Amino acid sequence: AQSVSQHNHHVILSEAASLELGCNYSYGGTVNLFWYVQYPGQHLQLLLKYFSGDPLVKGIKGFEAEFIKSKFSFNLRKPSVQWSDTAEYFCAVKTPSGGYNKLIFGAGTRLAVHP
Amino acid sequence: ETGVTQSPTHLIKTRGQQVTLRCSSQSGHNTVSWYQQALGQGPQFIFQYYREEENGRGNFPPRFSGLQFPNYSSELNVNALELDDSALYLCASSPDRFASYEQYFGPGTRLTVT
Repeated sequence: AQSVSQHNHHVILSEAASLELGCNYSYGGTVNLFWYVQYPGQHLQLLLKYFSGDPLVKGIKGFEAEFIKSKFSFNLRKPSVQWSDTAEYFCAVKTPSGGYNKLIFGAGTRLAVHP
Repeated sequence: ETGVTQSPTHLIKTRGQQVTLRCSSQSGHNTVSWYQQALGQGPQFIFQYYREEENGRGNFPPRFSGLQFPNYSSELNVNALELDDSALYLCASSPDRFASYEQYFGPGTRLTVT
């Protein structure tokens, strides 16, 4: 069965520090990859997505992610975090599922940014 | 453009009872998916409805059922509630049923089963 692993469950950073959140998936075929963010008290929002093409994907709020097919990874990065980036981050994949639209999520990484 | 809305926001039920959760999809979206997010976990796919029919299902028992209406709004019904059903239930809509389309999530309904 397909699965998604997020290695860091909790991350604590100071403002201006660099961020990298790991994501690995298990599926050997074509995948669509996503990072979602859930700010405190808000709904899941899409940060960025990869469907095809350039494996370095830029998203909103200065986030980017790199798809490395050989490593089955899609790590999220941001050069300099802000207090407002405090949130929970979810990596998700979509695989061909017989004509329906199913996301498989990782367990999430809770990021706390201190001023 | 109105986003995905869900009701109620919070709900408390007793084990063995039945519950109905509601979702209004984003304007122009004909596909609705439901997810269960237990505490400390990522969302898990329950099922998807496309044009009023279930067209995909995750590993959830038959006591989880749904409906989609002609206006593409949707309901999630859970019978014979168990304590482990306590979770945040998320609805997501998309313009079509295929994997190439992005899903837009609602704020969720927090269900507590006692």
